[in-house]
Amino acid sequence: TQLLEQSPQFLSIQEGENLTVYCNSSSVFSSLQWYRQEPGEGPVLLVTVVTGGEVKKLKRLTFQFGDARKDSSLHITAAQPGDTGLYLCAGDAGNMLTFGGGTRLMVKP
Amino acid sequence: NAGVTQTPKFHILKIGQSMTLQCTQDMNHNYMYWYRQDPGMGLKLIYYSVGAGITDKGEVPNGYNVSRSTTEDFPLRLELAAPSQTSVYFCASSQQGTGANVLTFGAGSRLTVL
Repeated sequence: TQLLEQSPQFLSIQEGENLTVYCNSSSVFSSLQWYRQEPGEGPVLLVTVVTGGEVKKLKRLTFQFGDARKDSSLHITAAQPGDTGLYLCAGDAGNMLTFGGGTRLMVKP
Repeated sequence: NAGVTQTPKFHILKIGQSMTLQCTQDMNHNYMYWYRQDPGMGLKLIYYSVGAGITDKGEVPNGYNVSRSTTEDFPLRLELAAPSQTSVYFCASSQQGTGANVLTFGAGSRLTVL
């Protein structure tokens, strides 16, 4: 079983602060995805990174795929209350995605 | 577009009862998946299917069964429900062969076993 570990598990910050969420594995993935999930809903895709070292930006969110395609990070600049939610990374292992345990982010106004 | 539709949204079962969670998608995706999510946790794969007539076990298949008789439908059956199966169940689908495997999720089915 390919494991993905996310850290931190919980994060509570004030509006305007920056934060980074990490997703680590000992396995190599063909791609890695980040999803955001709000209470009572299914996860929704934020971004897919495919190439080792790739950096993608989505407004205030910056995603990076490790050079060896084993890890990824999500950096949020100037967090807002609307960023509150559960952030999940998922590694593509061919026929299935393996999900990390998630990082629950709360941004206080 | 409906996307991935799951029913029921909520259900309470007694220990030992059986039930089926329904999942249908209208995107003509070839891959479908069932995940369970325990409170505050990530998703664990129960079963998946790469096409009609083909199913495979995921990480946590014990206590569940699936079938895939059509491209659109992928029901999940719980036999002899146990309290450990209390969870939120998510169905998802994807179109393999078009690059990265991106999943579209349903809204979830919250199941409580008492």
